Amino acid sequence: AQSVAQPEDQVNVAEGNPLTVKCTYSVSGNPYLFWYVQYPNRGLQFLLKYITGDNLVKGSYGFEAEFNKSQTSFHLKKPSALVSDSALYFCAVRYAGSGNTGKLIFGQGTTLQVKP
Amino acid sequence: ETGVTQTPRHLVMGMTNKKSLKCEQHLGHNAMYWYKQSAKKPLELMFVYSLEERVENNSVPSRFSPECPNSSHLFLHLHTLQPEDSALYLCASSQEQGSNQPQHFGDGTRLSIL
Repeated sequence: AQSVAQPEDQVNVAEGNPLTVKCTYSVSGNPYLFWYVQYPNRGLQFLLKYITGDNLVKGSYGFEAEFNKSQTSFHLKKPSALVSDSALYFCAVRYAGSGNTGKLIFGQGTTLQVKP
Repeated sequence: ETGVTQTPRHLVMGMTNKKSLKCEQHLGHNAMYWYKQSAKKPLELMFVYSLEERVENNSVPSRFSPECPNSSHLFLHLHTLQPEDSALYLCASSQEQGSNQPQHFGDGTRLSIL
């Protein structure tokens, strides 16, 4: 069975400091991995994805994520946090194999709080 | 602007009412999705449509009835809902079902059941 875990309900960082939001996954076969962000009263916005190739992927708003196959992780990172990065972040996984219905499995979300 | 528009943004209804949620996408996508987002719970996939055919129904109660008249429009018809159905309902679309392309989400309809 496919699953995604975001072990932290909330991450607190000071503005200007690096941030990491953790994600681990379980899927049989190769995964497609995604990060989304949700601001209050808005839908989910796509940040970045890993499909294949370079393990470090760069996305919107200066975010990046590192795919680690041995640790089955896909942590979201940013070198210098902004107060405006405060939001709810979701990791999602999809099995890349054939016969896939396109179903995305989402983690439970991590609230990022960046303090001035 | 995400290219996926949901109306209404907020809806308050009684348990005996009938209402519909609407979703429209302007991205030329072939697949559309309904999700339920409740507080303190993971996002729940409700329905998936690909090329206007329903391809997934995740054990959703029959008081929720989806309709996809064409690849740009998706509806969720509601009747005799329960208080536990109060949630944010999100619509999404993607280029193809099962592709490596991301899903694009609307801003949701906040539904409150009295």
